[in-house]
Amino acid sequence: GQQLNQSPQSMFIQEGEDVSMNCTSSSIFNTWLWYKQEPGEGPVLLIALYKAGELTSNGRLTAQFGITRKDSFLNISASIPSDVGIYFCAGPHAGGTSYGKLTFGQGTILTVHP
Amino acid sequence: GAVVSQHPSWVICKSGTSVKIECRSLDFQATTMFWYRQFPKQSLMLMATSNEGSKATYEQGVEKDKFLINHASLTLSTLTVTSAHPEDSSFYICSAVRRAPRTFYEQYFGPGTRLTVT
Repeated sequence: GQQLNQSPQSMFIQEGEDVSMNCTSSSIFNTWLWYKQEPGEGPVLLIALYKAGELTSNGRLTAQFGITRKDSFLNISASIPSDVGIYFCAGPHAGGTSYGKLTFGQGTILTVHP
Repeated sequence: GAVVSQHPSWVICKSGTSVKIECRSLDFQATTMFWYRQFPKQSLMLMATSNEGSKATYEQGVEKDKFLINHASLTLSTLTVTSAHPEDSSFYICSAVRRAPRTFYEQYFGPGTRLTVT
């Protein structure tokens, strides 16, 4: 089946630093989604990408849909303590069914030291 | 908009009993909802797809007789863990799909339910 390989698995950074994480797949995806999950909560959608090469920002977050359609990147600029959480990439299952079944990456655990 | 709630947020039950978890889309209708299970610091594992008005579709390895799903209306899906055992202890998260102009893949998650079976 489809798999999303997300890296790094974890990051420990200082407040103010920039963060970069990526997601790769052996399969082509037509949509890339980035979610953030805080401890004890459900994931929250951060950015959705629908077109190869697309670059989209949401505040200090920027995500890109790779032109090969097999990868995506998420960057966080000037990190702050509340950026702590697990970041997941996700994409729709092969077959393109309309009900939105997703494949998730393994997640990147982000820790920000004040 | 696009708020999904779950109830309860946490529950402790004794081994052998059943527990029901509710998932509601508060401000939109969802013909499809998903149920996930998550272990600490791990990714979400899809358990089943809940479709309004029809039977749920379970992922391989998920026991449908143990995890009963009912999608009673366009805003409510329930997951019942029957005859719970300690190994069923986990964080259960639901999500609801909202149809959008550009894509069908806007999936919104509930806050999760922490189940502990003693």
